[in-house]
Amino acid sequence: GNSVTQMEGPVTLSEEAFLTINCTYTATGYPSLFWYVQYPGEGLQLLLKATKADDKGSNKGFEATYRKETTSFHLEKGSVQVSDSAVYFCALTRILTGGGNKLTFGTGTQLKVEL
Amino acid sequence: DAGVTQSPTHLIKTRGQHVTLRCSPISGHKSVSWYQQVLGQGPQFIFQYYEKEERGRGNFPDRFSARQFPNYSSELNVNALLLGDSALYLCASSFGQGDQPQHFGDGTRLSIL
Repeated sequence: GNSVTQMEGPVTLSEEAFLTINCTYTATGYPSLFWYVQYPGEGLQLLLKATKADDKGSNKGFEATYRKETTSFHLEKGSVQVSDSAVYFCALTRILTGGGNKLTFGTGTQLKVEL
Repeated sequence: DAGVTQSPTHLIKTRGQHVTLRCSPISGHKSVSWYQQVLGQGPQFIFQYYEKEERGRGNFPDRFSARQFPNYSSELNVNALLLGDSALYLCASSFGQGDQPQHFGDGTRLSIL
């Protein structure tokens, strides 16, 4: 079945440091890939997405490239800020037999950015 | 524009009771999905509804049920509550089916005593 594996956290960085959060997936076919972010006490916000191989999703300085050959979708940001502190979830979507679609999430990676 | 709204925000129940959680999708969105997020884990898919019909079901017992109304809002019902049902329940909406991004509400925090 489909699954998503993320690096374990917490990841602690100083402000302006470079961020990488690793994500690999197992899936049949070619799923769409997503990164969601969850701030304390809130729901999930869509950060970026990619729908096919070699697509690069980007938003708010974050980037991730859909790598079919390595089944990866690593999240990167060149310079993190304290306000980026949150939990980041990698996810893939699978089309269901009834025509619906479900998201399969990784376990999440907590990011802490310090001054 | 309002995002996905869920009610109530917090709820405390005891074992064996029943609970109903409510969700209003983003205006114009016709699909609603429900997820359960246990502390420290990623969300797990429970149901998806589109045009008032169930389009997908996750690996949850029959104690969990849901429905979608003509205005596309949705309810999640859980019967015979167990301690393990304590979680954040998230609702997500999307415009249609297929490869559509899902937009999440802030969730209902359910605690079972």
